[in-house]
Amino acid sequence: EADIYQTPRYLVIGTGKKITLECSQTMGHDKMYWYQQDPGMELHLIHYSYGVNSTEKGDLSSESTVSRIRTEHFPLTLESARPSHTSQYLCASSGPYTGELFFGEGSRLTVL
Amino acid sequence: AQTVTQSQPEMSVQEAETVTLSCTYDTSENNYYLFWYKQPPSRQMILVIRQEAYKQQNATENRFSVNFQKAAKSFSLKISDSQLGDTAMYFCAFFPGGGSSNTGKLIFGQGTTLQVKP
Repeated sequence: EADIYQTPRYLVIGTGKKITLECSQTMGHDKMYWYQQDPGMELHLIHYSYGVNSTEKGDLSSESTVSRIRTEHFPLTLESARPSHTSQYLCASSGPYTGELFFGEGSRLTVL
Repeated sequence: AQTVTQSQPEMSVQEAETVTLSCTYDTSENNYYLFWYKQPPSRQMILVIRQEAYKQQNATENRFSVNFQKAAKSFSLKISDSQLGDTAMYFCAFFPGGGSSNTGKLIFGQGTTLQVKP
């Protein structure tokens, strides 16, 4: 079983609040990713990192930001949440060769 | 650009029967990896099966097998003896090898929602 953890699993907050979604992995992977997914829909890459102090924006524009200060930790932050941010956010990591992704259980965010 | 296409948004199958999910991809690479991922309702995305492009033999994992047609750029997933627990969204994905077009990112298809009926 993959060792990648996301918290919180579920979050309901009001508009304008700052939120941070946590993601940690214990596999020593350099590559980490954040995907956004609406229910029953495709995955959209919003951020990725290839190592400490490396972050890049993904294919889908997002108002969120990420940081990578430690190899194992890749948090995602929304400074001011809006209802349009309501979605599921999936964190993943991968090793260096095959591209195989290991996913966390996801964080389901609802902004009222 | 490399793309992955799953042309079946939704499928259904009776329990114990066999179902095949389609996936096609576009690439100029010769070495790459292909994956099928399973995402059960409200549960974690997990890897179902992986295929290395340089291997001619189709990958199998218990009831799950693939039909990898490299020339046709086709990578279908066959689920035999379908079980209720197979109900999920299935994603096909492509990872380029070490060529110049390797962005280091997995490219996903749009997904196919499979319903297994009792």
